[in-house]
Amino acid sequence: KAGVTQTPRYLIKTRGQQVTLSCSPISGHRSVSWYQQTPGQGLQFLFEYFSETQRNKGNFPGRFSGRQFSNSRSEMNVSTLELGDSALYLCASSLTVTKYTGELFFGEGSRLTVL
Amino acid sequence: AQTVTQSQPEMSVQEAETVTLSCTYDTSESDYYLFWYKQPPSRQMILVIRQEAYKQQNATENRFSVNFQKAAKSFSLKISDSQLGDAAMYFCAYRSGSNTGKLIFGQGTTLQVKP
Repeated sequence: KAGVTQTPRYLIKTRGQQVTLSCSPISGHRSVSWYQQTPGQGLQFLFEYFSETQRNKGNFPGRFSGRQFSNSRSEMNVSTLELGDSALYLCASSLTVTKYTGELFFGEGSRLTVL
Repeated sequence: AQTVTQSQPEMSVQEAETVTLSCTYDTSESDYYLFWYKQPPSRQMILVIRQEAYKQQNATENRFSVNFQKAAKSFSLKISDSQLGDAAMYFCAYRSGSNTGKLIFGQGTTLQVKP
């Protein structure tokens, strides 16, 4: 069974540009969540989607957005990139968000560098 | 708001020895889950062990066990018979029991295993 797939794995952008990151969850998983990992701030929750609906959103500016498609694949977009957006963006999927099956499986991440 | 604190940025252990990583958390919820995740260098994050707050018995997974002290809001990870492959960053994480996939992470502890 294929794991969580994130593309692209590495990318370099310049300030002011925008970027779209993609996440394909494990087959059958309906919940996808996104995290930003930086050395200074650690792992911070961005948003969570379940069945195409955003269920939770972290404390990030409106430049960060996401969506989920009917096949559970998810994308996140960051507009007007800033240097501080340089980070490893992790996607995690789970079967559901109920108590007994909510284990998260992480992808390898997309490493974004903003110059 | 819930918080997770890992007070040990770095730890080291001799191969075959035992090491304990500390984690404390703060919450007013009674229903929650606690996790330890392992992130090897440049590799994806994987779940090491999970503890349901309503269970008094400490979770164990092979060489990994936890000491869950609910009243003290403490959740430490013990790694027995440490192996070179255990070298990684370890994150303690909290998840609310209210049907969400959102994880709140600690800052992480980098574990070095010396041969």
